Order: sequence, then C-alpha cells, then structure tokens
Amino acid sequence: RKEVEQDPGPFNVPEGATVAFNCTYSNSASQSFFWYRQDCRKEPKLLMSVYSSGNEDGRFTAQLNRASQYISLLIRDSKLSDSATYLCVVNKDSWGKLQFGAGTQVVVTP
Amino acid sequence: DAGITQSPRHKVTETGTPVTLRCHQTENHRYMYWYRQDPGHGLRLIHYSYGVKDTDKGEVSDGYSVSRSKTEDFLLTLESATSSQTSVYFCAISWSPRTSETDTQYFGPGTRLTVL
Repeated sequence: RKEVEQDPGPFNVPEGATVAFNCTYSNSASQSFFWYRQDCRKEPKLLMSVYSSGNEDGRFTAQLNRASQYISLLIRDSKLSDSATYLCVVNKDSWGKLQFGAGTQVVVTP
Repeated sequence: DAGITQSPRHKVTETGTPVTLRCHQTENHRYMYWYRQDPGHGLRLIHYSYGVKDTDKGEVSDGYSVSRSKTEDFLLTLESATSSQTSVYFCAISWSPRTSETDTQYFGPGTRLTVL
C-alpha cells in the first residue's frame, strides 16, 4: 500500500463548478500536511498548508480528518487556470522528509 | 518564487555515461533535497543535505551520489547512467528540517533527463 494515495482522476469540471477530492495517508504520526499544485511540465508549488481545524484560502478549502487519516481539497467557482495536478504531501518524519502522492489531475472546461 | 535554478534543464545521454545535475539557490537555505518524479509515482527522495558536506540517503539513492561543497550548490551525480534513471529531477530547499504549517520545501524548475 502506498503511504499517500490519491485518485489520479482526471476530474473534469465545468468552469464555475465545485470540485473536491481526497487523499489518504498511512502514517498516523504525520503532523504536517500540504497541498501542492503542479502544472504540466513544471515544478510543484505550494498551494496551501492544511491546518488541523481546516482552512480556507480564497476559493480553496482544505480539511484534515486525523481519525480516518485523510485530507481533502475543495475548489469552488473553478477557473480554467485551476487546471493542474494537485499533489497531496504529508511529512514522513519530524526531520523534513516528505511523502508525496502521485497527484490528482483536475481539468476545468469552458 | 524561491531563487532556485537547475542545470541543465534538459539532457539526453547514453547508458553508461556519467551525468551531473546542478542545483543552485540564492536563498541561503541550509537544507537541500533531490527528488525524481516518474509517472504514477509521487516525488521520491534521492538524497538530501543538511549543510555543507553533510548529506544523507533518501528512499531511492542506489546509483546516485551527491556533493555539497557550498551552501548554494547541491550536485547530483549518476556515476553510470541507466535507462531506469530516465526521469524528471527536482531540487528542493527548505529553511528548516522540521516541516510545519509555515515551513515546507520549495522546488526548482526541474531537469528532464533521458538515458538512451
């Protein structure tokens, strides 16, 4: 079983719609959680950290469920520019090693 | 954007040849990392460095070596490239080794390596 699992998608989303997807992680000791965004043939870029109480950043909402060991990302009012692969990232240990999911592809269509 | 550059950005080489990839940062971050990214896999850690001349292995270190003689430069060497090392290689940096909600890793633009 992979340490961080994501539905690869693609999630095809009409412009203006809402899309949500999850990521599950296996290490119950993980303390830090992130969503990164990766555009085609580009480097991953930090989208947002995921706080224990959940957090919003504009149209993006991230949630953490420690009991079930998953994090979620919701995108409201999807824009064409939101088309990308979203990487779920979890810290592997307390010394900076990160575990990356393989990514969920989102395609926003006009 | 974090000041991270990688060179070369693209390289095609033949099996058995040595290859060195360079990561250069202007952020004075102490911690640097090399990852590879392959289809169907998340980024996988090859090697990392926690200071000049201080390096350690990641989860996929076989066939790779690294060196860090200056804070700003972290080199990844494939001593004898194989086709299985065809991949996209990303360098990352972080200020602290302990990831937290406010501190994580930032990535360079990547190097696409093809080993024929």
